Amino acid sequence: DQQVKQNSPSLSVQEGRISILNCDYTNSMFDYFLWYKKYPAEGPTFLISISSIKDKNEDGRFTVFLNKSAKHLSLHIVPSQPGDSAVYFCAASALDSWGKLQFGAGTQVVVTP
Amino acid sequence: DGGITQSPKYLFRKEGQNVTLSCEQNLNHDAMYWYRQDPGQGLRLIYYSQIVNDFQKGDIAEGYSVSREKKESFPLTVTSAQKNPTAFYLCATRGNTEAFFGQGTRLTVV
Repeated sequence: DQQVKQNSPSLSVQEGRISILNCDYTNSMFDYFLWYKKYPAEGPTFLISISSIKDKNEDGRFTVFLNKSAKHLSLHIVPSQPGDSAVYFCAASALDSWGKLQFGAGTQVVVTP
Repeated sequence: DGGITQSPKYLFRKEGQNVTLSCEQNLNHDAMYWYRQDPGQGLRLIYYSQIVNDFQKGDIAEGYSVSREKKESFPLTVTSAQKNPTAFYLCATRGNTEAFFGQGTRLTVV
């Protein structure tokens, strides 16, 4: 039973354009959400997070939007750069069980020149 | 510098053998986790420990065992009972907000 879903396994975007990655969740108890970036044969690295008391969080080129009613979040990368080519994982947890992160299957982003 | 060290990076095991993956951290975090990644799937939680001498099963604990004798160390043993052990294994700790990951160990059963 997958509680966090990333329905797009891959995304190709031109350098300089916006990348939009989507994530849906089913567990209404989730109240903390994170995005991780992963290169092949490496561990994921934290990108940005958002708690359920917010609907937007911005950090440089990365912005995460949360729509609680739709149980949907998205990650925007603007502008996209070649170094952004990686797999991006969406993760969610309930604050009272916080480290038990549930991950989506990931979206492979390829930024082309 | 602070971080999480997983060793070895690549590991080969013969069928029927147990193998132990190492995870060491110097971040002084109480909570540690083991995840498994398979192609096309997200990270799935195997075991976690919130304090020394205590650990809990995650979503896919069958065929695995762990110990937490020291705060810094959380080794994972993949036993012969694990039917599909070939995967990428990730160790993580929990800070105040996000989780921090090691570089991973790729285990291949030959």
